[in-house]
Amino acid sequence: NAGVTQTPKFQVLKTGQSMTLQCAQDMNHEYMSWYRQDPGMGLRLIHYSVGAGITDQGEVPNGYNVSRSTTEDFPLRLLSAAPSQTSVYFCASRGRIQETQYFGPGTRLLVL
Amino acid sequence: AQTVTQSQPEMSVQEAETVTLSCTYDTSESDYYLFWYKQPPSRQMILVIRQEAYKQQNATENRFSVNFQKAAKSFSLKISDSQLGDAAMYFCAYRSARGAGNNRKLIWGLGTSLAVNP
Repeated sequence: NAGVTQTPKFQVLKTGQSMTLQCAQDMNHEYMSWYRQDPGMGLRLIHYSVGAGITDQGEVPNGYNVSRSTTEDFPLRLLSAAPSQTSVYFCASRGRIQETQYFGPGTRLLVL
Repeated sequence: AQTVTQSQPEMSVQEAETVTLSCTYDTSESDYYLFWYKQPPSRQMILVIRQEAYKQQNATENRFSVNFQKAAKSFSLKISDSQLGDAAMYFCAYRSARGAGNNRKLIWGLGTSLAVNP
């Protein structure tokens, strides 16, 4: 199993550009989440999904969209990037009866 | 609302020595899970150890063990025989065992940066 994979590893955007951060897992996990990590602020939940077709907002959802058309994939979309979205983004997944979350390697995003 | 506090932003330990990282949490629930995650410079988040609140026995994983004090709402991580590869940011996290959706999200501490000196 590859576990949780994220692409790209690093991205530079200009303000106003859009992009999609990809996340995939091959563990058949129902639950998937997106976090952002900023210095001094720990991990903050952006959006999460409890299954295909079901998504919900976390703590800091503004400026981000998600969809979950399959169990495996959970892309995060930035429609109009802003410098405040410069961060490291982590995707995570876990099974319905599991309590342990598995993280992807992260995507470093720089918005100029 | 639940909160997780890590009161030590930075710590250091000599190689081969033992170090304890502190974590306290606030909750009114009785059924929950606690985690320690490690984040090395590679930024990958790696699960170190997990504790179920209903278990009185402290969890242990090789050189890593916890001191879980439920009444005191304390969940410290002890690293024995510290190695250079243990240098990382360590995060404590809490999850409720009840409810659904947002009620069961992970609540994170701000982390403790551990340096291991040769």
